[in-house]
Amino acid sequence: DIQMTQSPSTLSASVGDRVTITCRASQSISSWLAWYQQKPGKAPKLLIYKASSLESGVPSRFSGSGSGAEFTLTISSLQPDDFATYYCQQYNSWPLTFGGGTKVEIK
Amino acid sequence: QLQLQESGPGPVKPSETLSLTCNVSGGSISSSNYYWGWIRQPPGKGLEWIGTIYYSGSTYYNPSLKSRVTISVDTSKNQFSLKLSSVTAADTAVYYCARHDSVRGATPGAFDIWGQGTMVTVSS
Repeated sequence: DIQMTQSPSTLSASVGDRVTITCRASQSISSWLAWYQQKPGKAPKLLIYKASSLESGVPSRFSGSGSGAEFTLTISSLQPDDFATYYCQQYNSWPLTFGGGTKVEIK
Repeated sequence: QLQLQESGPGPVKPSETLSLTCNVSGGSISSSNYYWGWIRQPPGKGLEWIGTIYYSGSTYYNPSLKSRVTISVDTSKNQFSLKLSSVTAADTAVYYCARHDSVRGATPGAFDIWGQGTMVTVSS
């Protein structure tokens, strides 16, 4: 199985900050990585697919980069609506696996 | 637009079988462009992929659950289902159904549409 490791697990930031979350795979997954945002009591929402492609309707302040085994999700200017938990997920091979999540909290 | 809705009988007793159905509306489950999956999330924890099915009936399961999981599809009803046998308290979680979009890259693709989730509690 491919292990997905996210860091940090918790991040404290202020509105307007630039935020970066890292996701590392235990082996190469090419660019088959997705990022999701989840708010309490809600289903995850797809933000980024294929490592850097922005899902329709997602604000352009979200961006993804990376390939192989190291990936990043960047929020260029954190907004109040962005305080949530973020997950990465690989879909390069079965079984599909998620990272442990990064909670973005208000500083 | 496409919507997914999970449904199930509610609380489940230990050792029994958990059964959930995901109803797909606003689109066909028989499209060759999509796969359909189940994901769960224990209270306060992260996401775990359970398994995925294609409309033809091909299935893919998480090895950690494979011996207890069955996913099936009913194209006539536009729905797919999850059965998890011999449940314990560790199976208590919110269960989500979701669509994989394989059009935009590798099979099966990312989960682009999710149901709202249903909480299943395993308790005697």
